[in-house]
Amino acid sequence: SQQGEEDPQALSIQEGENATMNCSYKTSINNLQWYRQNSGRGLVHLILIRSNEREKHSGRLRVTLDTSKKSSSLLITASRAADTASYFCATGPSGTYKYIFGTGTRLKVLA
Amino acid sequence: DAGVIQSPRHEVTEMGQEVTLRCKPISGHDYLFWYRQTMMRGLELLIYFNNNVPIDDSGMPEDRFSAKMPNASFSTLKIQPSEPRDSAVYFCASSPPGGGSEQYFGPGTRLTVT
Repeated sequence: SQQGEEDPQALSIQEGENATMNCSYKTSINNLQWYRQNSGRGLVHLILIRSNEREKHSGRLRVTLDTSKKSSSLLITASRAADTASYFCATGPSGTYKYIFGTGTRLKVLA
Repeated sequence: DAGVIQSPRHEVTEMGQEVTLRCKPISGHDYLFWYRQTMMRGLELLIYFNNNVPIDDSGMPEDRFSAKMPNASFSTLKIQPSEPRDSAVYFCASSPPGGGSEQYFGPGTRLTVT
């Protein structure tokens, strides 16, 4: 079964609004990463948060991690049309580099 | 840096034919990953290498799939014989030494088996 599952599956917002997507996982992890995939392209790494961190920022991105609930959230502030893409979380289970990607959230930002 | 390079970008083949996908990781990276992406199953890890050695191939669907990494700058994923259900986008990714860090993905190879 999928280690990481994102919700919502799809999200449509207006430019300038904030977008929040969530990721749940099942086993203990070393770290959790978020990636973006534009249509027809490879994945691009956005941010990594380690298991001993609770929050991390990078530009307009804010990631939180709650290891007790085995969940993470990605917040994109002041969204732009260029943020339209699919977003995936990837979990790195303890003791392995066998990353498992979630099902993804398709974000559409309307201009 | 050129990034991860994959070839071909598109491959159309007939069922039963052999298919070879190629990947050149980023120089200095010592982890290499092969993934398959489909609408039904999402992004699946097939196999990963560390220092040219296969570490975990539990995601390889069956014996028709094989992967090699003869040196630090080249890897192949071979499907023989190919089947229509192998149609997918195959991604190669590499990661710097130390593991547990971000992966750099190639543009992918879109494989269609008719």
